[in-house]
Amino acid sequence: DAKTTQPNSMESNEEEPVHLPCNHSTISGTDYIHWYRQLPSQGPEYVIHGLTSNVNNRMASLAIAEDRKSSTLILHRATLRDAAVYYCILRDVGNEKLTFGTGTRLTIIP
Amino acid sequence: NAGVMQNPRHLVRRRGQEARLRCSPMKGHSHVYWYRQLPEEGLKFMVYLQKENIIDESGMPKERFSAEFPKEGPSILRIQQVVRGDSAAYFCASSPQGTHHGYTFGSGTRLTVV
Repeated sequence: DAKTTQPNSMESNEEEPVHLPCNHSTISGTDYIHWYRQLPSQGPEYVIHGLTSNVNNRMASLAIAEDRKSSTLILHRATLRDAAVYYCILRDVGNEKLTFGTGTRLTIIP
Repeated sequence: NAGVMQNPRHLVRRRGQEARLRCSPMKGHSHVYWYRQLPEEGLKFMVYLQKENIIDESGMPKERFSAEFPKEGPSILRIQQVVRGDSAAYFCASSPQGTHHGYTFGSGTRLTVV
């Protein structure tokens, strides 16, 4: 599986936008970029995924670089409930496994 | 529409006992996945099942661990003769057939071996 690199931790103020970066320089053409988050004492929660184009849903936006070697998860207005570990995962077509790294621990400051 | 249901939420077993963890996928989901999260570590894939079939068990320890997803009923992860190192959170996820969308995870079973 192609590897992703994320900062270990980030902090953001409540009600401000948050940009969570992910580098994946060895991404292949058939790798989808998936984001999950894990709140304390909970199972992972799907956030968003994309292939080449930027994506938006009710939870977040995903901005994908033109060369696909990096992506950014954008939370438009952080709340305290967004405090979690965020995982950026590459998943190849036909591969059913998710390979979780260490993720980014996001702290929201009231 | 209930999510992925895992039970029990917490399970305490003495060394040498058996642990049975149950997972009911979301309605309409035919693919089930089990992941393990050891204390202070990331999630690791264990096994991927479809109804009555094990598709990929490359993450399962070679001994004492087994999984099934029968035609009727929940998926079961079974750990025989548990040891302290089996203490972890075990998460189940499900997805519909033929999709590349996200998985839905359950809240997990926290196994403590004493």
